[in-house]
Amino acid sequence: ETGVTQSPTHLIKTRGQQVTLRCSSQSGHNTVSWYQQALGQGPQFIFQYYREEENGRGNFPPRFSGLQFPNYSSELNVNALELDDSALYLCASSTPDLPYEQYFGPGTRLTVT
Amino acid sequence: GQSLEQPSEVTAVEGAIVQINCTYQTSGFYGLSWYQQHDGGAPTFLSYNGLDGLEETGRFSSFLSRSDSYGYLLLQELQMKDSASYFCAVRDGTNAGKSTFGDGTTLTVKP
Repeated sequence: ETGVTQSPTHLIKTRGQQVTLRCSSQSGHNTVSWYQQALGQGPQFIFQYYREEENGRGNFPPRFSGLQFPNYSSELNVNALELDDSALYLCASSTPDLPYEQYFGPGTRLTVT
Repeated sequence: GQSLEQPSEVTAVEGAIVQINCTYQTSGFYGLSWYQQHDGGAPTFLSYNGLDGLEETGRFSSFLSRSDSYGYLLLQELQMKDSASYFCAVRDGTNAGKSTFGDGTTLTVKP
């Protein structure tokens, strides 16, 4: 069974740039959620994708967008990067039968300078 | 909206028992989950309570009281490797797919 993978591991971007983060879900999981985790805080829900459709969104501006592909992998895109976007971005996969049991990837550490 | 409160830090010694509390306010409730996160690592699912009562998984147990909007994670026979952050999380009854996490409790286990 393949776990959740994310790429890249680390990324440094300049304010105003755009970034794309990628996530491959655990084998058999068709639901992917994205979270932003600032230092010393819990993960903050960005959005979730199920069967290639957005299935819930947190309090993040529209410059945070996403996609899910037929193989259930997913992308998180952030436009017009701001300094406050610097954080660990986590993706988590799950199944509709066990939505409360999420399997997290190792995360992408984004630094915006 | 959803909000969760848990203590920011807890310290205990090896072999001891520690309880991490979590109180929540939700507009809809679909159960309380617990996750463990080591420094620099990914959160790992520990336990879930959908109904009142105690769930036991090895050295870890989790409890829920829906009438009190309260739950806890109980860690027994503490080991050094249990030093980590522990998060409680609830699913949002009004925003499908959304989970809200607490800010976490940092557990330090001392020899």
